[in-house]
Amino acid sequence: GAVVSQHPSWVICKSGTSVKIECRSLDFQATTMFWYRQFPKQSLMLMATSNEGSKATYEQGVEKDKFLINHASLTLSTLTVTSAHPEDSSFYICSAHLDGRGSIQYFGAGTRLSVL
Amino acid sequence: AQTVTQSQPEMSVQEAETVTLSCTYDTSENNYYLFWYKQPPSRQMILVIRQEAYKQQNATENRFSVNFQKAAKSFSLKISDSQLGDTAMYFCAFMKPSTGGGADGLTFGKGTHLIIQP
Repeated sequence: GAVVSQHPSWVICKSGTSVKIECRSLDFQATTMFWYRQFPKQSLMLMATSNEGSKATYEQGVEKDKFLINHASLTLSTLTVTSAHPEDSSFYICSAHLDGRGSIQYFGAGTRLSVL
Repeated sequence: AQTVTQSQPEMSVQEAETVTLSCTYDTSENNYYLFWYKQPPSRQMILVIRQEAYKQQNATENRFSVNFQKAAKSFSLKISDSQLGDTAMYFCAFMKPSTGGGADGLTFGKGTHLIIQP
């Protein structure tokens, strides 16, 4: 149990286009999901906290108009990278907090975004 | 703000040996959670072990155990009888409980690349 599906696993887009990444908790409800960014050979950096039915909370330095987060249901959060540019190329990973299980978060497999 | 420090960028040991990865952290919180995550080449994050700060007993999961020293703010991971499949990046992570009773985001260290040699 506790599977998190992230789609797509790899996306290539042209500069100026928008890209949507989906994060789904397949067998549990997740009131809270998180989005992280990982540059090559570096650690994960928390970008934002996604709460079902309310606005996301962004970490300092993360542009909320660039990275739009929607958490419309208890099993789905989406991250849209708007007007993507080459510097947005990165590995994006989501995680979902299993309600009622305290501290445990489960991670998606990540999305590799390449902006040409 | 919390910080997590992993001072070993890379470690290499022979198969079946025991290896210890170090992690220190800084926080003003009294209650929090600490984790070790493994990230193999597939880049899928896998939870290795979790420790709750209010529990004095060190967590263990089969071949994996931690040495949690709260006063020293140290949280090392010991891997016994290392196996080739243990080769991966290992991240130490900190999380403080959310005030709303839910969850907070994780603060990660920079990671240690562990290589198990045959």
